Amino acid sequence: AQKVTQAQTEISVVEKEDVTLDCVYETRDTTYYLFWYKQPPSGELVFLIRRNSFDEQNEISGRYSWNFQKSTSSFNFTITASQVVDSAVYFCALRPGPNDYKLSFGAGTTVTVRA
Amino acid sequence: SQTIHQWPATLVQPVGSPLSLECTVEGTSNPNLYWYRQAAGRGLQLLFYSVGIGQISSEVPQNLSASRPQDRQFILSSKKLLLSDSGFYLCAWKGTGDTGELFFGEGSRLTVL
Repeated sequence: AQKVTQAQTEISVVEKEDVTLDCVYETRDTTYYLFWYKQPPSGELVFLIRRNSFDEQNEISGRYSWNFQKSTSSFNFTITASQVVDSAVYFCALRPGPNDYKLSFGAGTTVTVRA
Repeated sequence: SQTIHQWPATLVQPVGSPLSLECTVEGTSNPNLYWYRQAAGRGLQLLFYSVGIGQISSEVPQNLSASRPQDRQFILSSKKLLLSDSGFYLCAWKGTGDTGELFFGEGSRLTVL
């Protein structure tokens, strides 16, 4: 069975600080996909980033970066120089296998950025 | 470009009343469609998904049902609502390509009293 764990329930930072969100996953599949979503107060989930299991290269996209470590089954997400608009709930998600299009989500981490 | 819409955005219903939430997708054909529920302060739970017209898979036994009468329409229903049905309901479609990210609608907030 697939499982996504986000151990951090809430994180509060001051503007311009970096924020790192932890995500640990479990799957028996050798091919899988990992995602991060943002849910602002409006409620709509916004797709942020995607990583394939066969590509462990870490990337940076603007103020977002992610660290995929297959050996520890972790997919951490960092917001650099946080802004008040980054305040939201962030979800890590797992899509197991090439023929399974259902996403399993973690419980979410609430990020509050204070001015 | 593709868009997804849900309605109503907010709904307050008494226990035992029926429910119908609608979701439509534009700009794509034969998409995989999904209904998720988010209980207060919790993560997302997959309720139903559909790979085509009339094809519904249920993930969680409950008093909810789903239907897909048209290619780009996905409906979540209940004949008699329970208090535990309260939550935020999100419809999603799977993007084109193999990577499988989902794109979500605005959500429908249901309160059962």
